[in-house]
Amino acid sequence: QVQLVQSGSELKKPGASVKVSCKASGYSFTDYAMNWVRQAPGQGLEWMGWINTNTGNPTYAQGFTGRFVFSLDTSVSTAYLQISSLKAEDTAVYYCARDWGKHVMDVWGQGSTVTVSS
Amino acid sequence: EIVLTQSPGTLSLSPGERATLSCRASQSISNSYLAWYHQKPGQAPSLLIYGASNRATGIPDRFSGSGSGTDFTLTISRLEPEDFAVYFCHHYGSSLGTFGQGTKVEIK
Repeated sequence: QVQLVQSGSELKKPGASVKVSCKASGYSFTDYAMNWVRQAPGQGLEWMGWINTNTGNPTYAQGFTGRFVFSLDTSVSTAYLQISSLKAEDTAVYYCARDWGKHVMDVWGQGSTVTVSS
Repeated sequence: EIVLTQSPGTLSLSPGERATLSCRASQSISNSYLAWYHQKPGQAPSLLIYGASNRATGIPDRFSGSGSGTDFTLTISRLEPEDFAVYFCHHYGSSLGTFGQGTKVEIK
């Protein structure tokens, strides 16, 4: 079946970096783009942007430029989100979500919790 | 950037009742590029509706979406126990996609 499996929880200190993975299975990875969505504790959803899985070209939403990097390893059907210079306000659950078309998200990963604390 | 405002913030209803959720956009949404997701506690969101009124695969017909322009509605005709969750609307189709803040549907 189609699924996205994300890496586990991370506890990081301010200023550190983190890399979250999202492994796809059950479909051809390069047939669908991949979105990333953030959810801070007790808050709503924020669309972070997306990456074209054919070209590797990323597009970042407002507020997610500079410290956020989307990347791919198509040989293992995996998308990555790297966040550098972590701040306390980066504490959130990060979801990858398959792009069914025009950024409608039809399959979601289970989420990866990133906690930033000294 | 289009701002989506959902109302009410919380809806308290009993199983079997009808739920009506609203999503209002700050500007007209072209091509009805409006989706609805629901999220149960501790779970990832799940797609319900896209294109304002099209049910996603496997979504029961008690869920229906309507609207155009700036005003959109999600209706759940008869609430089932598994429908108590948070519902988000989402404007898509560009690099400026946004979510509404969510409506919680809770058991009365």
